[in-house]
Amino acid sequence: DAGVIQSPRHEVTEMGQEVTLRCKPISGHNSLFWYRQTMMRGLELLIYFNNNVPIDDSGMPEDRFSAKMPNASFSTLKIQPSEPRDSAVYFCASSLIGDTEAFFGQGTRLTVV
Amino acid sequence: KQEVTQIPAALSVPEGENLVLNCSFTDSAIYNLQWFRQDPGKGLTSLLLIQSSQREQTSGRLNASLDKSSGRSTLYIAASQPGDSATYLCAVYSGGGADGLTFGKGTHLIIQP
Repeated sequence: DAGVIQSPRHEVTEMGQEVTLRCKPISGHNSLFWYRQTMMRGLELLIYFNNNVPIDDSGMPEDRFSAKMPNASFSTLKIQPSEPRDSAVYFCASSLIGDTEAFFGQGTRLTVV
Repeated sequence: KQEVTQIPAALSVPEGENLVLNCSFTDSAIYNLQWFRQDPGKGLTSLLLIQSSQREQTSGRLNASLDKSSGRSTLYIAASQPGDSATYLCAVYSGGGADGLTFGKGTHLIIQP
């Protein structure tokens, strides 16, 4: 398996634009997580899905952020409209439900100017 | 709410030295603790996992210890090499699947050749 695949690897966008980050989890995994990493706050869990269903989105910073998982092999994290303070590295991770070992993608570095 | 603190935030040592990275957590009711490695521009790679009933785990030149009652863990790296340069993150699992992982902000380690 190629591991968790995220795209794009880097994204630079202007304030106010819509940004969509994509993730393909490891085949067979049924939990998917979106994290945000910044120097100030470290790694923060934004939202996670079990069996494609959002379980806890309490980490989503505000209504500008939304995430979907239309099927077991694909998830998106959307920011609309984007703001400079959204600049961070966004990680997707997948695991088996109840298993503590999550496998991380290489992240998307988002810069909002 | 669980909080994880890593000290120091950054460390630079000459090649060949033995070194210790520290991790502390506020709630001792954990199932396990993991140490991860993050290379620049990459995702997280799990290094060692210590169950709450264990005192330590070893993998090659790495040794991780856990003192659950005092809320502390250390990662010991023997005979450091330039290839060990990375950011090391500590995460504690408090239950509920990988969503229960709380991460520290990491220690940025540089091994000077």
